[in-house]
Amino acid sequence: EVHLLESGGGLVQPGGSLSLSCAASGFTFSSYAMNWVRQAPGKGLEWVSAISNVGLATYYADSVKGRFTISRDNSKNTLNLQMNSLRAEDTAIYYCAKGKVWFGDGIDYWGQGTLVTVSS
Amino acid sequence: QSALTQPASVSGSPGQSITISCTGTSSDIGGYNYVSWFQQHPGKAPKLMIFDVSNRPSGVSDRFSGSKSGNTASLTISGLQAEDETDYYCSSYTSSGTLVFGGGTKLTVL
Repeated sequence: EVHLLESGGGLVQPGGSLSLSCAASGFTFSSYAMNWVRQAPGKGLEWVSAISNVGLATYYADSVKGRFTISRDNSKNTLNLQMNSLRAEDTAIYYCAKGKVWFGDGIDYWGQGTLVTVSS
Repeated sequence: QSALTQPASVSGSPGQSITISCTGTSSDIGGYNYVSWFQQHPGKAPKLMIFDVSNRPSGVSDRFSGSKSGNTASLTISGLQAEDETDYYCSSYTSSGTLVFGGGTKLTVL
């Protein structure tokens, strides 16, 4: 059974940084693309970033490009998201989401999410 | 990276069928068969219901079906049940090398 567990969320001031992690189990982690998707309180889903199965290719939404960095450690079955220069509009639940072999083919499993609040 | 367009709400009576539309452009829905649909209950993570326009993952009821015509994808739920009442989102791959979601549709079972 696929299991994705996010951690690292919390309260951070505008302009600050935060690092999220996602521990994956139940599948061959190194065979699949991985994504981060966020959902602001009471709002819809917004795709944030993706990384290919071995980490050679990364993809970002315009809203986070240059501020967020996605990475993965296939030896530890872990996905990461480094978030810098955080803004109030980055406040959201951040979901770790498993992709297909190729990231463009979408998402098939989601974690339960971790809440990031950007506020002074 | 404009969001795909979904109706804010749809409704139907138990046993009826409803269709939720998801409209994009030739740079996303119209250009690729990488459309997915997700169901999200309040406070829960989204669940994949349809992938690659019209394919159902194992375990998803065959009351759920997907299709696409031009730049618009559709999710149809037949034999509507009370448990279907929740939010639904579409997503697509885009020519910009990103994924994009629709704004979400709230389904009410009358």
